[in-house]
Amino acid sequence: DAGVTQSPTHLIKTRGQHVTLRCSPISGHKSVSWYQQVLGQGPQFIFQYYEKEERGRGNFPDRFSARQFPNYSSELNVNALLLGDSALYLCASSLTGGAGELFFGEGSRLTVL
Amino acid sequence: EDQVTQSPEALRLQEGESSSLNCSYTVSGLRGLFWYRQDPGKGPEFLFTLYSAGEEKEKERLKATLTKKESFLHITAPKPEDSATYLCAVQRQNYGGSQGNLIFGKGTKLSVKP
Repeated sequence: DAGVTQSPTHLIKTRGQHVTLRCSPISGHKSVSWYQQVLGQGPQFIFQYYEKEERGRGNFPDRFSARQFPNYSSELNVNALLLGDSALYLCASSLTGGAGELFFGEGSRLTVL
Repeated sequence: EDQVTQSPEALRLQEGESSSLNCSYTVSGLRGLFWYRQDPGKGPEFLFTLYSAGEEKEKERLKATLTKKESFLHITAPKPEDSATYLCAVQRQNYGGSQGNLIFGKGTKLSVKP
C-alpha cells in the first residue's frame, strides 16, 4: 500500500516568491496535517484539515494557507517567501480528524535564497 | 504552556550497549504520547502510541513506557541500524477544534557504533 506521498521533494525559491506543496494521504485517510521542521528542531504544526474543512491552525502568519480537495489530497501554499521559511515541510495523514496515529510523508525540502 | 523536552540531545552508544531516552512533558490533558524515528532528510516513521500511565509497548529492540510526567524509550542491545533521531510528541485533549495535532520535542540523536 502506498504511504503518504509529497511533491516536490526538493525545491529552491528566492525571497518574495510563492510556493505550492502537494500531498496525497494514505488511501482511506480523511485527515491531512502540515508541519514545518527547521534543521535541528522537532516538527511544528501548521494546519490540519478533515473532510475538506480546516480543523486547526498553528502559530504561523497568514502567508501560509492550505486546502483539502474532495479526494482528500492537500496543498500548502506559502506567499512572499522569507529566508526563514527554509525548512522540511511534512505532510501527515490520519484516519480521522481526532485522536490517533499520524503517518508522515518524506517531506518537501524548501530552500529560500 | 504545553511543552515536550527530550534528553539527552545526543547519545553515542557502542553496539550492544543498552540505554534509555527520556521525554518529559507538560500538557493540559494528555490524549496520547507518540514516538517516532527519523532518518536524515526523511519524514518521521511511526513507532509507538501510549495512552495511559503504566502502559508499555515493544517492537524489536525498542520498548516505550509512560508515566504521568514522562516517557522512556529503552533500547536493548542496539545495532548500528538503530542510529537515527528519535522524536517524542504529545497529542492534547480537546484542543479547540483540532484534536489531532502533535507537539514535538527536539529529538534525541542516537549514534550506535559497531
